[in-house]
Amino acid sequence: EAQVTQNPRYLITVTGKKLTVTCSQNMNHEYMSWYRQDPGLGLRQIYYSMNVEVTDKGDVPEGYKVSRKEKRNFPLILESPSPNQTSLYFCASSRLFRAGYNEQFFGPGTRLTVL
Amino acid sequence: AQTVTQSQPEMSVQEAETVTLSCTYDTSESDYYLFWYKQPPSRQMILVIRQEAYKQQNATENRFSVNFQKAAKSFSLKISDSQLGDAAMYFCAYRSALNDMRFGAGTRLTVKP
Repeated sequence: EAQVTQNPRYLITVTGKKLTVTCSQNMNHEYMSWYRQDPGLGLRQIYYSMNVEVTDKGDVPEGYKVSRKEKRNFPLILESPSPNQTSLYFCASSRLFRAGYNEQFFGPGTRLTVL
Repeated sequence: AQTVTQSQPEMSVQEAETVTLSCTYDTSESDYYLFWYKQPPSRQMILVIRQEAYKQQNATENRFSVNFQKAAKSFSLKISDSQLGDAAMYFCAYRSALNDMRFGAGTRLTVKP
């Protein structure tokens, strides 16, 4: 089954404790992206990647890191989480813009609470 | 930078009626994609419909259709014969040729039986 998986689905942590949210896709997509969703703001792009070892900042990259060492994986790292990073996070993947049908497939979301 | 605006935070419709959700966007690009995504209470993001900017014909998917006005930078979603299962948050989204994505703030649709 074609899918994007994220782990963990729920996480409660404390300020300053480093954490990683994993994302993996099995569709051989070149493009992967992270978003955060906050009430009244919709989804905002944090980082995206168009290929292995290629990453670009989105609208809200501050406080986040990503890496793309393998095509299928795109982890999101919070080195020192703060309460303003409490949010719902989505990972997504797709083909590149010029590759025709480029619908983004979304993971199930990770609900993060930073105390 | 491109922006996407959904001016209706909430909408409601009677079951079996038709409702239109509005979306406008701002861009200087000529080549891009537009999408409508549905997010039910499960939080899963589900693609409803997509439109390629260079195609003049409006996209349709069963009961869902769009009114794409490129010059006006408008991309509204029409849902016909509304069903209870259509109740959800709907997001309009823009994908640029540079592959970055922008989403609107969302419209919460309620369907009344």
